[in-house]
Amino acid sequence: AQTVTQSQPEMSVQEAETVTLSCTYDTSESDYYLFWYKQPPSRQMILVIRQEAYKQQNATENRFSVNFQKAAKSFSLKISDSQLGDAAMYFCAYRTSGTYKYIFGTGTRLKVLA
Amino acid sequence: NAGVTQTPKFQVLKTGQSMTLQCAQDMNHEYMSWYRQDPGMGLRLIHYSVGAGITDQGEVPNGYNVSRSTTEDFPLRLLSAAPSQTSVYFCASSYDVATTHYGYTFGSGTRLTVV
Repeated sequence: AQTVTQSQPEMSVQEAETVTLSCTYDTSESDYYLFWYKQPPSRQMILVIRQEAYKQQNATENRFSVNFQKAAKSFSLKISDSQLGDAAMYFCAYRTSGTYKYIFGTGTRLKVLA
Repeated sequence: NAGVTQTPKFQVLKTGQSMTLQCAQDMNHEYMSWYRQDPGMGLRLIHYSVGAGITDQGEVPNGYNVSRSTTEDFPLRLLSAAPSQTSVYFCASSYDVATTHYGYTFGSGTRLTVV
């Protein structure tokens, strides 16, 4: 069975600095997707970034980028130039291609200090 | 604005009562799902649907029913509420082309308390 592990329950970063959130996963599949979702205090979850496992190039969305290490089964999220609005819970998630079931990690709470 | 609409946002139920959480999307997404979020446990899949008339069970389906009569609507029914069903519930939909998945659009959630 697939698993997703986020080992950092909470992280803090100074405004304008860079922070990296960790995620590891376990799967025997070769074709899958990985995601980072953000859940701000408003509660609604928002897709931050998406990575397809067959693509070696790391996904990037503005200030958000990932470090995807397929062999190590690692999928970390880097947030550059952190802003107060980045404060939220961040969830790492996995989905095997062709299936309909996600596996979510337990989340990392990010605090941004002014 | 296009998106996923969940109602109600908050609900308190007494043990044994039944209720329906509503979910509607206007993006013509075929795939819809219901999750529950509990502290320290991430999100767990309750039920999902890959199109009108098609539903299937997720990881924690007991105590919940779903139906999908239209592409837009995917209601979640609690048959006889129990305190263990106290949680935050999210509806999510996605646009999938063949086997390509582009990520979920989530509703704003329903906080349910069963007393």
